[in-house]
Amino acid sequence: KQEVTQIPAALSVPEGENLVLNCSFTDSAIYNLQWFRQDPGKGLTSLLLIQSSQREQTSGRLNASLDKSSGRSTLYIAASQPGDSATYLCAGFSNSGYALNFGKGTSLLVTP
Amino acid sequence: DTGVSQNPRHKITKRGQNVTFRCDPISEHNRLYWYRQTLGQGPEFLTYFQNEAQLEKSRLLSDRFSAERPKGSFSTLEIQRTEQGDSAMYLCASSSPTSGGDNEQFFGPGTRLTVL
Repeated sequence: KQEVTQIPAALSVPEGENLVLNCSFTDSAIYNLQWFRQDPGKGLTSLLLIQSSQREQTSGRLNASLDKSSGRSTLYIAASQPGDSATYLCAGFSNSGYALNFGKGTSLLVTP
Repeated sequence: DTGVSQNPRHKITKRGQNVTFRCDPISEHNRLYWYRQTLGQGPEFLTYFQNEAQLEKSRLLSDRFSAERPKGSFSTLEIQRTEQGDSAMYLCASSSPTSGGDNEQFFGPGTRLTVL
């Protein structure tokens, strides 16, 4: 079973800082990868999908990269804002299954 | 709103009762997934449908759990004889794979189950 680790588990930064969230996989046989945002008590919002043919994807202030050979992905958030405060989850879709394998998430707090 | 919808949003029940949740996927999506999330954890896969066929079930899905998608549209997840350990957020997702096989999943707001 694919094991997914997210580091750090929690992060607090002042508004305006750039930050990087990390995600690693035990099995490099990963097909594609999604990053999600989850607000407390809510469902998941898809932020970015790095497709099988891609190495990175950008949306606004967010940039995600995937290195399959090392089994690592990063989510870069530029010029952080208090509204970015949430839990960020990465999830990999493996070649052999239908399910997304999730990490436990990084809880981000951006202070004004 | 054309996103994934789930009902009810919250359910409180007593141990031993049966509960049923409903998920309505994005209309053109043929794939539907159920996940379970407990506090401080990422979602864990329960089961997957392609159209009306249930193609994969996790070992987490004990025989007290059953899921259906009778017409390939909405899905229901039933838990019989609920236990306190069933308390969790139940999330539904849907997707429609691209020709390249990529499969972005879109999630609903979840159903929060509390078993007393």
